[in-house]
Amino acid sequence: KNEVEQSPQNLTAQEGEFITINCSYSVGISALHWLQQHPGGGIVSLFMLSSGKKKHGRLIATINIQEKHSSLHITASHPRDSAVYICAVRSEKRVNNDMRFGAGTRLTVKP
Amino acid sequence: GAVVSQHPSWVICKSGTSVKIECRSLDFQATTMFWYRQFPKQSLMLMATSNEGSKATYEQGVEKDKFLINHASLTLSTLTVTSAHPEDSSFYICSAREAGYSYNSPLHFGNGTRLTVT
Repeated sequence: KNEVEQSPQNLTAQEGEFITINCSYSVGISALHWLQQHPGGGIVSLFMLSSGKKKHGRLIATINIQEKHSSLHITASHPRDSAVYICAVRSEKRVNNDMRFGAGTRLTVKP
Repeated sequence: GAVVSQHPSWVICKSGTSVKIECRSLDFQATTMFWYRQFPKQSLMLMATSNEGSKATYEQGVEKDKFLINHASLTLSTLTVTSAHPEDSSFYICSAREAGYSYNSPLHFGNGTRLTVT
């Protein structure tokens, strides 16, 4: 079983819909990242969270440390939001290879 | 904002040759850099974590003699694919973690290198 599980794997939405992507993890973490990868391959870091909630424009990320769960919400979705969204966690253990990645959620927003 | 420059953005090489990919942090120092590969329609697969001045830590199943990683300075890490074969054709991405943070550091990504081995 992966240490970081994302759901759903694929998501298709109509423009304007509210979107939620979920991430559950099984290890103790010091931080959780939400990443966005566009079809060209480039990756952008959207959020880094260790507690609570963060908002940037139409994007909102929340984390519940006790439940080991995070969600990424997109309000008023737009076709340009179509991308792969990846959840990544940094283990609280101080080891060299401390990052673990989810398999990604492929989002398609149709006009 | 912090920029990670990855070079080349694409490369075609013949089977049996070696290819070097560079990952540079342009305006910050990176104590840790990560290397990933990604097959079409699949997610990132972490290959190795490299810390400046020490040996890289490879993920299970990644051959350290085939994928040589060097992180000799706080701004440069290189990945060399040795004796490349067609099955090594993939998209390789690096990311860099900023130094200077006591706890949680931002993560910045390169734009990737598309390697095709003929």
